[in-house]
Amino acid sequence: DTEVTQTPKHLVMGMTNKKSLKCEQHMGHRAMYWYKQKAKKPPELMFVYSYEKLSINESVPSRFSPECPNSSLLNLHLHALQPEDSALYLCASSPRTGDSNQPQHFGDGTRLSIL
Amino acid sequence: AQSVAQPEDQVNVAEGNPLTVKCTYSVSGNPYLFWYVQYPNRGLQFLLKYITGDNLVKGSYGFEAEFNKSQTSFHLKKPSALVSDSALYFCAVRDMGNTPLVFGKGTRLSVIA
Repeated sequence: DTEVTQTPKHLVMGMTNKKSLKCEQHMGHRAMYWYKQKAKKPPELMFVYSYEKLSINESVPSRFSPECPNSSLLNLHLHALQPEDSALYLCASSPRTGDSNQPQHFGDGTRLSIL
Repeated sequence: AQSVAQPEDQVNVAEGNPLTVKCTYSVSGNPYLFWYVQYPNRGLQFLLKYITGDNLVKGSYGFEAEFNKSQTSFHLKKPSALVSDSALYFCAVRDMGNTPLVFGKGTRLSVIA
């Protein structure tokens, strides 16, 4: 069982839809991350939150909008996505962004398909 | 900037034989090195890390990794492979400070019965 929970596990949406991905952790971690992973490729960092504030945005298109409502929750709001956005979206957490010696803990991801 | 290389896309090994998955890294300072495993339709699971100290690091599920500073390598090893070890393995590195985790391209391990 993973300690980072992501919902939904699967999501199919049209290009005009609005949907949200959710991530939750109860390990007391203050750093949370969104990654995008294409098949058989490594995860690509999208966003980093540190103490509920956005600290890194890796030039992600504005159709992806992250939100961190509290220290346990991380959302990714989706709007007007493109077919190339179909991927596995992974959430991760770690104690603090500056603790380089600590591993990140990953959820099982949301598999997103854009029609 | 830090980087990681996994030179093999695929590693095949017979069940019961030892396995090695290779990783080399490049960082400006002292490296923090990690191995993760990903099973189908799952997220990444942390296996082990090297921070400092002993060059042989032991991790989950019988895996271990050998840190070699002169060769800038951090190879993942297991003395006796299981079919259930078949998965995608990622090596990752962080530099000191508030730097992102950088992943290698991944190596697919196939253990054949």
